[in-house]
Amino acid sequence: NAGVTQTPKFQVLKTGQSMTLQCAQDMNHEYMSWYRQDPGMGLRLIHYSVGAGITDQGEVPNGYNVSRSTTEDFPLRLLSAAPSQTSVYFCASIPLSGTNTGELFFGEGSRLTVL
Amino acid sequence: SQQGEEDPQALSIQEGENATMNCSYKTSINNLQWYRQNSGRGLVHLILIRSNEREKHSGRLRVTLDTSKKSSSLLITASRAADTASYFCATHRADSSYKLIFGSGTRLLVRP
Repeated sequence: NAGVTQTPKFQVLKTGQSMTLQCAQDMNHEYMSWYRQDPGMGLRLIHYSVGAGITDQGEVPNGYNVSRSTTEDFPLRLLSAAPSQTSVYFCASIPLSGTNTGELFFGEGSRLTVL
Repeated sequence: SQQGEEDPQALSIQEGENATMNCSYKTSINNLQWYRQNSGRGLVHLILIRSNEREKHSGRLRVTLDTSKKSSSLLITASRAADTASYFCATHRADSSYKLIFGSGTRLLVRP
């Protein structure tokens, strides 16, 4: 199993550009989520999903859109990037059924810079 | 606002010493978890303690939970240089078992 895979690892955008951060997991986890990590702020939850077709907002959802058309994929879209969205983004997943130890599985992160 | 707040923000100790990190939170929880993050990497799960548990051990890790004080501590015994990392507590709130909210972390430096 590859686990949680995020692409791209690095991205530089200009203000106003749009882009999508990709997240895929091959563990058949129902729950997937996106966090952003800023220096001194820890991780803040952006959006999450408990299954295909279901998404909900986290702590800091403004400026981001998500969709969940399949169990495996949970892309994060920035429609009009702003310098305040410069951050490291992490995707994480967890099974909600079967053997659920409560442990979140994280991707390696995507570092985004908005100029 | 963040659910968990770690204390101290940074900790520097000598190899072989014990490291203690604390986490405080604000609302009722289902469980509390500790994660580790090496520089530039994703987070790795260390240990989970449920709201009805008071203490849990895993190898050199010892976690305590005091729900009356809404606080937890992570103790790393006999630290090693390889333990150098950031450590985060995260809580599953009792009102929403799907959300895991993280604190701001403790940066641990273990000097050889």
